[in-house]
Amino acid sequence: DTAVSQTPKYLVTQMGNDKSIKCEQNLGHDTMYWYKQDSKKFLKIMFSYNNKELIINETVPNRFSPKSPDKAHLNLHINSLELGDSAVYFCASGAYAGPPQYFGPGTRLTVT
Amino acid sequence: KQEVTQIPAALSVPEGENLVLNCSFTDSAIYNLQWFRQDPGKGLTSLLLIQSSQREQTSGRLNASLDKSSGRSTLYIAASQPGDSATYLCAVSSGYGQNFVFGPGTRLSVLP
Repeated sequence: DTAVSQTPKYLVTQMGNDKSIKCEQNLGHDTMYWYKQDSKKFLKIMFSYNNKELIINETVPNRFSPKSPDKAHLNLHINSLELGDSAVYFCASGAYAGPPQYFGPGTRLTVT
Repeated sequence: KQEVTQIPAALSVPEGENLVLNCSFTDSAIYNLQWFRQDPGKGLTSLLLIQSSQREQTSGRLNASLDKSSGRSTLYIAASQPGDSATYLCAVSSGYGQNFVFGPGTRLSVLP
């Protein structure tokens, strides 16, 4: 009965690789988010989708591409991974255009 | 550009104490403010959401206050318990559907 789930939980990969992180919410929420938590523990929004439509796209390298096949899923694809991409990535969901209410457990990405 | 700070960065208290966590933001034109709890290896949990027109919100042993004019919010935890040990983050939003800016968090340890 997990509200927001992410896979994988841990991801270790080499520079230059392409990887994806999947996110699913079973709350019926219309809005989903991707956040990045850096080594200083700051959480920064990357993307926000309302009903599969992109509404927030912060200053994120275009190597990061979110994809929302339906409103219950928001996947994050990262091309040409760099060392600086190492962080914990959180998916979240909330009511339409509202604040994030539920967060996934996070995906710890380590780029070597 | 909105900036959010939290003090203290870490706090250790004996069980049963009442405590206050502080959050400050630089731009008082906020839409709402939210307090979250982050447990290691788990996702964030939304604790309290205060709209800009409100001054406080309460949930159980938690009480959050908001003073927009001074750019401050406090989270009051009554009768702390070891299970309250976690990192507490505050986040502010500048508008409906706008992204949240998170503070770095306060790491709380409640000792039995």
